[in-house]
Amino acid sequence: EADIYQTPRYLVIGTGKKITLECSQTMGHDKMYWYQQDPGMELHLIHYSYGVNSTEKGDLSSESTVSRIRTEHFPLTLESARPSHTSQYLCASSESSIGAATHFGPGTRLTVT
Amino acid sequence: AQSVTQPDIHITVSEGASLELRCNYSYGATPYLFWYVQSPGQGLQLLLKYFSGDTLVQGIKGFEAEFKRSQSSFNLRKPSVHWSDAAEYFCAVGARAAGNKLTFGGGTRVLVKP
Repeated sequence: EADIYQTPRYLVIGTGKKITLECSQTMGHDKMYWYQQDPGMELHLIHYSYGVNSTEKGDLSSESTVSRIRTEHFPLTLESARPSHTSQYLCASSESSIGAATHFGPGTRLTVT
Repeated sequence: AQSVTQPDIHITVSEGASLELRCNYSYGATPYLFWYVQSPGQGLQLLLKYFSGDTLVQGIKGFEAEFKRSQSSFNLRKPSVHWSDAAEYFCAVGARAAGNKLTFGGGTRVLVKP
């Protein structure tokens, strides 16, 4: 079964550190997404990509950045982590066809101290 | 822009009882509707989706949902819940104009009593 992977699953890091959250998918999907989810809350789209070298900001403003150099890889970077970045980050992907289901990774729970 | 409302934040149900989770959406055209389930500390798993055609959709784990255009609703149902169904459930809407980006409801946490 094809899958979507995120590493690390949990990360505790100090303020000011640079971090990269990794996301890879083996389904060959063109579309990839990053959602942010605070505990017990809904998901908000922060970044998406429709293909290699395509990245767009989502509905929720985020200080993070993303890149899409390869189809299967969509990392998210925070240049200088702050406590306000503490959250769960969910990576997802979907086929390009209209109405295609979105598949989610297990998430990275980030805590910035 | 599309939006989704899940009116119930928490629902407690006895094991073996039926379950219905409400979802109302707002979108000008025909939406694509999804239900996802999230267990603690996990990502989201797709339960079912409505794209077109039959308005009663069958999903995994014994769940079904009915699309009612007149009520702008897509309620999720299960006739008999199991303790393993305790989780957070999210309704989401996608739209052609939004390029498959999803808008999520606030979620409903389901607790199952023995």
